Amino acid sequence: ETGVTQSPTHLIKTRGQQVTLRCSSQSGHNTVSWYQQALGQGPQFIFQYYREEENGRGNFPPRFSGLQFPNYSSELNVNALELDDSALYLCASSASGSLRADTQYFGPGTRLTVL
Amino acid sequence: AQKVTQAQTEISVVEKEDVTLDCVYETRDTTYYLFWYKQPPSGELVFLIRRNSFDEQNEISGRYSWNFQKSTSSFNFTITASQVVDSAVYFCALSEGGSNQFYFGTGTSLTVIP
Repeated sequence: ETGVTQSPTHLIKTRGQQVTLRCSSQSGHNTVSWYQQALGQGPQFIFQYYREEENGRGNFPPRFSGLQFPNYSSELNVNALELDDSALYLCASSASGSLRADTQYFGPGTRLTVL
Repeated sequence: AQKVTQAQTEISVVEKEDVTLDCVYETRDTTYYLFWYKQPPSGELVFLIRRNSFDEQNEISGRYSWNFQKSTSSFNFTITASQVVDSAVYFCALSEGGSNQFYFGTGTSLTVIP
């Protein structure tokens, strides 16, 4: 069974640029959630995708957007990067997007640095 | 208001000591789910346990045990006979019934000294 994978591992961008992070869900999972984890903090929910549609969103501005593909993989796009966007971005997959909180399994994350 | 509070920022113990990590949560929902995750230096969050609000039975898994008390809104995690490999940041998380969002605490960094 393949776990959650993310790419790239590390990324350095400058303020104002755009970035795309990628995530492949665990085998058998159809739901992907994205989290931002600042240094020394807990992960903060960005949004979740289920059946290629956004299925819940946290308190993040519209310049954070995403996609989910038919194979359940997902992308997180961030436009107009700000210094505060520097963080570890975690992707998590789960078995369904139902209202029951299924356990989320996390990938290794992408470390984004904005200069 | 913080939905999940982990008041212990950092804990250091000597190997083979027992250690308890505290988690206090806040929700108005009657249906909710609680989780513990371990985050080693590599960064990946590792799932440890899930509990729903209707199941207050304590659970033991090897050296790990969890004490869920609705009366005090707490879901504490105890490691018995700690080992160096237990060194990591541990996160408690809450998901409320009807929501697919996980609320994480700020984590407790555990260092086990050999």
